[in-house]
Order: sequence, then structure tokens, then C-alpha cells
Amino acid sequence: DIQMTQSPSSLSASVGDRVTITCRASQIIDNYLNWYQHKPGKAPKLLIHAALSLQGGVPPRFSGGGSGTRFTLTISSLQPEDFATYYCQQSYTTPWTFGQGTKVEIK
Amino acid sequence: EVQLVESGGGLVQPGRSLRLACVASGFYYDDYAMHWVRQAPGKGLEWISGISGNSGGVGYADSVKGRFTISRDNAKSSLYLQMNSLRPEDTALYYCVKDIQPIGAAVFDSWGQGALVTVSS
Repeated sequence: DIQMTQSPSSLSASVGDRVTITCRASQIIDNYLNWYQHKPGKAPKLLIHAALSLQGGVPPRFSGGGSGTRFTLTISSLQPEDFATYYCQQSYTTPWTFGQGTKVEIK
Repeated sequence: EVQLVESGGGLVQPGRSLRLACVASGFYYDDYAMHWVRQAPGKGLEWISGISGNSGGVGYADSVKGRFTISRDNAKSSLYLQMNSLRPEDTALYYCVKDIQPIGAAVFDSWGQGALVTVSS
């Protein structure tokens, strides 16, 4: 199975900060990498697919990058509604696997 | 608007069975693969099973293979998960999830609110 490792596991940031989360795959997955936002009590939400394609309706302050084994999710200016847990997920080969999550908290 | 509504969760003893259902609306159901993803208490997301739009392809995580069976009824826009030989480690919130393609691209663009399954004696 492909292991997905996110860093950091959690971070504290202020509104307006630029935030970057990294996701590493245990093998090359080309650009088959997706990002999700998950808030407590809510359904997870797809933010980015194919490493850098923004899902419809997602604000442009979210951006994705990377390929191969190293990927990033960047929030250019953190907003109050962005405090949540973020997961990466590889869609290269089954079983489809997620990272352990990165919790973004208010500083 | 896409809606996915799960049902069938509850408290069940180890070794027993449970069947989850998910009713979909707001899109042409036949055209999309569907999946089940779970989240154990305090843990991350885990994909456990998926099925193609025409039911021709199914897949399972090793953690549930041989115990869980995924199926769908396109006439009813419904997805099912038959869970047998349940274990305490199967305790989780189970999400019904829509794929972006009929054959699993494994990009999960819509999620239900989840059905809670608790396995305990």
C-alpha cells in the first residue's frame, strides 16, 4: 500500500497568515493527489484534485502543487472559516490511502 | 444539489452483522462510482470499499476484505454496505462518497453526513 505522510500534524496560525501543508507519498504517484478539508460534525469537502486543480466553488486562496512524491497545499491568507483538518489522498492505485491529517488551529 | 443520505448505523455486538444504506439524489447516479470511507473515533479517514457505476468493478481495503460487501441498486439510486463478522475496531463513522467518474478515479467530490457504527458488547 502507498503510505501518505503529512507534515506538520498540527499547526497554529492567525487570520491572514500564509499556511503550507506538505504531503509525501511512499512511492511516485505522478499527480494523482487530492486534498480535502474536514470540519467537526461536517462532511469532508474536496478542495483540490490532480495535485493542483481547484474544485469548483473553492476560494482561490487555496492552491496545490507538487508531483511525484512531494505535494503541498497552500492557503495564501488564512480565513476564520479555514480552521479545520486537512487530508491528502492518493488516487494512483488501490487501496486509496489518506494522510493522517493536519489540524489547523487558531493562534 | 448532490445529496447522499446514509442510514442503518447503530450499536451491534462483536461478530454480528449490520447493513448500511445510502440514498443519492441530485445527479445521474448510474454515471458515477461510489465508495464507503470511514473515520474511527479520533482517527483519520480510511477508504474501505468502492464500486463502479455499472457494478462491474469492486474493491476493498484489506481491513474489511472477506467480511464486508459493497453493492448498489441504480434503479433506486442506492448504495449498500453489508458488514459481517464485525469487530470493535470497525467502530467508526461511515461516509457514503461519490466519485467524479464512473470507473473509480478515486476523487471523492461529494460526501454524506455519515452513519455511526459502534461495535461493542
